[in-house]
Amino acid sequence: QVQLVESGGGVVPPGTSLRLSCAASGFTFKTYAMHWVRQTPGRGLEWVAFVSYDGSLKYYVDSVKGRFTISRDNSKDTLYLQMSSLRTNDTALYYCAREYDLVTGVDYWGQGTLVTVSS
Amino acid sequence: DIQMTQSPSAMSASVGDRVTITCRASQGISNYLAWFQQKPGKVPMRLIFAASNLHSGVPSRFSGSGSGTEFTLTINSLQPEDFATYYCLQHSGYPHTFGQGTKLEIK
Repeated sequence: QVQLVESGGGVVPPGTSLRLSCAASGFTFKTYAMHWVRQTPGRGLEWVAFVSYDGSLKYYVDSVKGRFTISRDNSKDTLYLQMSSLRTNDTALYYCAREYDLVTGVDYWGQGTLVTVSS
Repeated sequence: DIQMTQSPSAMSASVGDRVTITCRASQGISNYLAWFQQKPGKVPMRLIFAASNLHSGVPSRFSGSGSGTEFTLTINSLQPEDFATYYCLQHSGYPHTFGQGTKLEIK
């Protein structure tokens, strides 16, 4: 079955960097586009970033453009989110999610990894 | 950006009731809309894709309808396990955007 396992979260001060990982299994990772989505109690669910199956296309929500970079290593079945210049309002539970296809969209999510940006 | 307005933000209902949740898009999104259910401390689970298609394994009491700018999620004959928070997600363009969520509580 589809499994997505995030890691890399933690408590970091504002202005620093962090890299999240998402290990995929149970499906042919290299044939699926992937997303990062975050969730906070106050702002609900927020889509963060997208990468195409081969890494050639990437999109971001405006609030993270220039600070976050989504990437993937298809040889390792792993998705990444490199986050820099972190702000307190980046504090959230970060999920990776698989996109089944363009028409049907996101289907499965990982369990999430918590990022807390605090001084 | 496409804004998704979800209503109501919260509601209470009884087991056996029929409930309807609505999402309105700020511009047409065809049928690029999904519905997710999230229980406290759990991962969002997809219920509906492409506006009206039931995700595998989801009970048939859940249904979705709509196209363009207005979409509904209907739950017939509410069961105790249906009390949760529901979100719509549009994936017509980037950025994808979620509705604010509807918390469904037991009356």
